Amino acid sequence: EADIYQTPRYLVIGTGKKITLECSQTMGHDKMYWYQQDPGMELHLIHYSYGVNSTEKGDLSSESTVSRIRTEHFPLTLESARPSHTSQYLCASSLEYEQYFGPGTRLTVT
Amino acid sequence: KNQVEQSPQSLIILEGKNCTLQCNYTVSPFSNLRWYKQDTGRGPVSLTIMTFSENTKSNGRYTATLDADTKQSSLHITASQLSDSASYICVVSDRGSTLGRLYFGRGTQLTVWP
Repeated sequence: EADIYQTPRYLVIGTGKKITLECSQTMGHDKMYWYQQDPGMELHLIHYSYGVNSTEKGDLSSESTVSRIRTEHFPLTLESARPSHTSQYLCASSLEYEQYFGPGTRLTVT
Repeated sequence: KNQVEQSPQSLIILEGKNCTLQCNYTVSPFSNLRWYKQDTGRGPVSLTIMTFSENTKSNGRYTATLDADTKQSSLHITASQLSDSASYICVVSDRGSTLGRLYFGRGTQLTVWP
């Protein structure tokens, strides 16, 4: 079992609200990632980080932003949530080839 | 275009039976191929990772094969259990970037009935 945690696990929020999805790992991994996954679809990379103060956008355009102030923490923020942001968000960290995923946050924007 | 295609999209089998899931990819260059198991509402968990030189790898009742020439992989599940019900995702990594870009398939949804 990987030591990577995400909170909240489920979130229902109204349009226009600001939200932050938390992700933390205790494995000391430098590389961390955020993926978006809709039901029955593949994971899409939206953000990644090579280490502290390093963040890059992924393949899928996203209105979210991320920060990496500490190695173990990689939060994702949506300044103004919209129904189109409804999805599952998965955080991961990696060492060599292996990626370890968190349990995910299921976000619903009403 | 780099792609990963999985088949079948969904599969229902009876407990105790074997099954084989397929993955075809066009990713180039190739670094490694992974199979993940994703339970509903959870993050994916790694089952196997195979590099170019490996053509088979086992993890308990799961056996993955890789044919790098034809760019095909399969995941064979032996003596299925109810807990095997999940989505099985094939992921291919290229070696063309420092990130080691991952290409995800859409998964095969396996349901095991008692």
